Amino acid sequence: QKEVEQDPGPLSVPEGAIVSLNCTYSNSAFQYFMWYRQYSRKGPELLMYTYSSGNKEDGRFTAQVDKSSKYISLFIRDSQPSDSATYLCAGDSGNTPLVFGKGTRLSVIA
Amino acid sequence: DGGITQSPKYLFRKEGQNVTLSCEQNLNHDAMYWYRQDPGQGLRLIYYSQIVNDFQKGDIAEGYSVSREKKESFPLTVTSAQKNPTAFYLCASTILQGSNQPQHFGDGTRLSIL
Repeated sequence: QKEVEQDPGPLSVPEGAIVSLNCTYSNSAFQYFMWYRQYSRKGPELLMYTYSSGNKEDGRFTAQVDKSSKYISLFIRDSQPSDSATYLCAGDSGNTPLVFGKGTRLSVIA
Repeated sequence: DGGITQSPKYLFRKEGQNVTLSCEQNLNHDAMYWYRQDPGQGLRLIYYSQIVNDFQKGDIAEGYSVSREKKESFPLTVTSAQKNPTAFYLCASTILQGSNQPQHFGDGTRLSIL
């Protein structure tokens, strides 16, 4: 079983919708969690970075971590066509390199 | 402007040829990483280096080699032993492995077979 599981999509939503992206993980040692956004033919860019359980909000983006169920989520409010990208989640135990999910491809239709 | 520079952006390899992908960072980061990205496969770790003159194999190191002679540079060689090298290669760095700081990525090199 891969340590971080992520539904690859593709996910297609209309502009203005609330988007929910999710990952599950199996490694209890993960303390830090990240969401990266990757546009086509570009490198991933850090979107959100959270520690342990709880919520973190940044503008239209909210990252949520539930360590009890080993579940991490990214919510995008008022989605825009410019949000169309692949979103990668990652877990960090501190001792080894980040472990990434396979990414979810999102399309926001105007 | 600090960042990670990968070159070239596109690279073509002939059969039996070794090719080297460049990765340079001016972020003063100790740890550097190479990933391979294939459609539907996510990021797979090839090699990583926590400090100069030291590196470790990742999950898919066979057919690849690296060196870390300078803090700023972590070149990746795709050898002729790598039978399926066509992929998007990403270099990343972080201040220190185990520092719980996120990785920063370059914009990748796309390698294709001629």
